[in-house]
Amino acid sequence: GENVEQHPSTLSVQEGDSAVIKCTYSDSASNYFPWYKQELGKGPQLIIDIRSNVGEKKDQRIAVTLNKTAKHFSLHITETQPEDSAVYFCAASEGGKLIFGQGTELSVKP
Amino acid sequence: DTEVTQTPKHLVMGMTNKKSLKCEQHMGHRAMYWYKQKAKKPPELMFVYSYEKLSINESVPSRFSPECPNSSLLNLHLHALQPEDSALYLCASSQEAGRIIEQFFGPGTRLTVL
Repeated sequence: GENVEQHPSTLSVQEGDSAVIKCTYSDSASNYFPWYKQELGKGPQLIIDIRSNVGEKKDQRIAVTLNKTAKHFSLHITETQPEDSAVYFCAASEGGKLIFGQGTELSVKP
Repeated sequence: DTEVTQTPKHLVMGMTNKKSLKCEQHMGHRAMYWYKQKAKKPPELMFVYSYEKLSINESVPSRFSPECPNSSLLNLHLHALQPEDSALYLCASSQEAGRIIEQFFGPGTRLTVL
């Protein structure tokens, strides 16, 4: 079955810097890759996603890139702000299910 | 409106109690999901309902019993739980199951089993 690995597990950046979180997946049949942000005490919030027929997608300060050949995808956050501090999960689709990475705890220091 | 609501927000129960978690969405989605999330871990899929029928059960113990009364509602009935079942229980919905489609999560119910 699908296996998703996510790195790093923790990431600390200064406000205004960029943050990059990387995920790899094992099943070449996976074709949908969402990213979720989870703040303390809340449910995961879908922030951006990408499908396998696209290499890059941007939404304001957030971008996701996908390399199907290498089977990895990344989340890029530019001009980070303290409110970006949260746990971020990547996921890959498999048979109608989402397989999640282990999460990255992002801390943005003012 | 991409809102999934869950009640209650918090629940404390003893091992002999019976309780239910509720989830509701009004986005016209036909697939609904229950996940369990332990602290600092990703969500783990428990059940998937598609068009009000159970389509996936991830080998969840029978002390968890899901129910989908209609296309907008999803319940999780709890009975004889163990302390290790304490977790955040998340409900999610998507337009359909089995397709490449966005899943939207609710805020979760924080369950503590004493």
